[in-house]
Amino acid sequence: GAVVSQHPSWVICKSGTSVKIECRSLDFQATTMFWYRQFPKQSLMLMATSNEGSKATYEQGVEKDKFLINHASLTLSTLTVTSAHPEDSSFYICSAGGYSNQPQHFGDGTRLSIL
Amino acid sequence: DAKTTQPPSMDCAEGRAANLPCNHSTISGNEYVYWYRQIHSQGPQYIIHGLKNNETNEMASLIITEDRKSSTLILPHATLRDTAVYYCIVRFHFNQAGTALIFGKGTTLSVSS
Repeated sequence: GAVVSQHPSWVICKSGTSVKIECRSLDFQATTMFWYRQFPKQSLMLMATSNEGSKATYEQGVEKDKFLINHASLTLSTLTVTSAHPEDSSFYICSAGGYSNQPQHFGDGTRLSIL
Repeated sequence: DAKTTQPPSMDCAEGRAANLPCNHSTISGNEYVYWYRQIHSQGPQYIIHGLKNNETNEMASLIITEDRKSSTLILPHATLRDTAVYYCIVRFHFNQAGTALIFGKGTTLSVSS
């Protein structure tokens, strides 16, 4: 079964709306989670590293005020796309894991469409 | 982490073995080879990983050359559901939980009947 759960799987909203995406580790505690973005026909691009109890680390070119990350517990990280615009439409994916020689696992992704 | 090179696309007939190559000529001694795949509109799925010995699980086999500069992922009996983008990723084994996986372009495997 899934070890990383992502919600929602699909969201459509109007331009200017803020959208929150949740990523949960189901059977382990994750001090670190990762957020990726994927555009059509492209590979996954790392956006940021979410750290439990501290600030997220953003990759170069990713606006931290646009993509707010909160990792308030050991099983939940959230990504909020603030004041979303059509260019923010993409497939957002989170990952976690890699403890005790286990591989990292990914959520099923969230398809965000901004009208 | 060492760079990997994969062919952009491959075709395979249903029921036949799919052999996906990966070149990682700059791999270092404490780097593992990981394989993930991404079926359309889903998150990546872990397949297998290895250091230097060949590995097999219920999904696939991983063959790593003796010099560790290349590897091959083998799907023994490909099905239509194996159509996906396959990613070969080399990374250090230590602090895996604190380090993100970096994805290249991968190989698009198309399985046809």
